[in-house]
Amino acid sequence: DAGVTQSPTHLIKTRGQHVTLRCSPISGHKSVSWYQQVLGQGPQFIFQYYEKEERGRGNFPDRFSARQFPNYSSELNVNALLLGDSALYLCASSIAWNEQFFGPGTRLTVL
Amino acid sequence: TQLLEQSPQFLSIQEGENLTVYCNSSSVFSSLQWYRQEPGEGPVLLVTVVTGGEVKKLKRLTFQFGDARKDSSLHITAAQPGDTGLYLCVCLQTDSWGKLQFGAGTQVVVTP
Repeated sequence: DAGVTQSPTHLIKTRGQHVTLRCSPISGHKSVSWYQQVLGQGPQFIFQYYEKEERGRGNFPDRFSARQFPNYSSELNVNALLLGDSALYLCASSIAWNEQFFGPGTRLTVL
Repeated sequence: TQLLEQSPQFLSIQEGENLTVYCNSSSVFSSLQWYRQEPGEGPVLLVTVVTGGEVKKLKRLTFQFGDARKDSSLHITAAQPGDTGLYLCVCLQTDSWGKLQFGAGTQVVVTP
């Protein structure tokens, strides 16, 4: 079975631009979460979606938004990019509360 | 919000040596998980510990949950280059489904 997939794998943007990151969960998983991992740090929770509804939001500005589609895939959008948004963005899907499966991430570089 | 502290931040050892990394908090955990993240990949769950004083073994890895459920350790025996990675601890609460709170991690490098 395929694991969590994310696209693109790498992305380079300039300050002020907008970016959309995509995630496909494991088949049967209805929960998708997004995390930001800055170099040298652990992942920080951004959003959780379950059955297309937002179930949690971390301490991130309104420039960050997300949505989940009927097939449970998800998009993370970031507007007005800042240099500090450069990070690895991880998507995780789950079917049980105590186990999450992570994708390989999208490496975003903002110049 | 619980603050998880992991130590050391970085550990470099030779193949065959033993190592221990730690995860501490001032608050009580409902349960705790350890993940390992290799370069270019997402974190992978290693273990979940639930009961204070619990010890779990996964081949050469031994995980311990403190009696007071405020700390945990991961011990690796006879480390191998394949153990190289970022070791992350995560605290879980019953309402934390999908909202994991990670520590900053311990970067372990095992050289042949």
